[in-house]
Amino acid sequence: AQSVTQLDSQVPVFEEAPVELRCNYSSSVSVYLFWYVQYPNQGLQLLLKYLSGSTLVKGINGFEAEFNKSQTSFHLRKPSVHISDTAEYFCAVRGYSSASKIIFGSGTRLSIRP
Amino acid sequence: GAVVSQHPSRVICKSGTSVKIECRSLDFQATTMFWYRQFPKQSLMLMATSNEGSKATYEQGVEKDKFLINHASLTLSTLTVTSAHPEDSSFYICSARDQNEQFFGPGTRLTVL
Repeated sequence: AQSVTQLDSQVPVFEEAPVELRCNYSSSVSVYLFWYVQYPNQGLQLLLKYLSGSTLVKGINGFEAEFNKSQTSFHLRKPSVHISDTAEYFCAVRGYSSASKIIFGSGTRLSIRP
Repeated sequence: GAVVSQHPSRVICKSGTSVKIECRSLDFQATTMFWYRQFPKQSLMLMATSNEGSKATYEQGVEKDKFLINHASLTLSTLTVTSAHPEDSSFYICSARDQNEQFFGPGTRLTVL
């Protein structure tokens, strides 16, 4: 079984400041890792994913995340945020098996202040 | 990336009526589709997994007679909320799997009066 923990339910940041959204997971098997963004009243959009290879993953909109196996973390970062980054961010994991289901974290609301 | 559509995007209905929500994978075939429910300011809760040509697998606590799922083709899955009540009001999101990745629909806002 897998679980995902997003410790920060809300993160307020000033525009153009850097941000880090934390994600930790637990799993007895190897997993794929994902970050999704959800804008108000919309579905989820994939920001980035880690399947294998380089532990630093670059995604859309200037976001990146680093997979740290020893700390079982997959924190999301952006060096300079914009007002348009205001949204809900979900970290997720899924086992390798085709029958595995995506497990979502509880989400982090990123609010950007001008 | 692949596109998943949902219809309708928003529906308001009276208590006791049934509502059907369609989920389509537009440019790929999805043998597996998923239905989620999301309450305000909460994460997505998986309701059921739908496999083309077979019965859906429901998560614990989800009433299969209340939420009917049909996956008739590789590009279409439907969720019917039967005899809807105000507590069924929620944001419903479908997802379709293409190899190692899941793509999500834009969601359907259901309001039951």
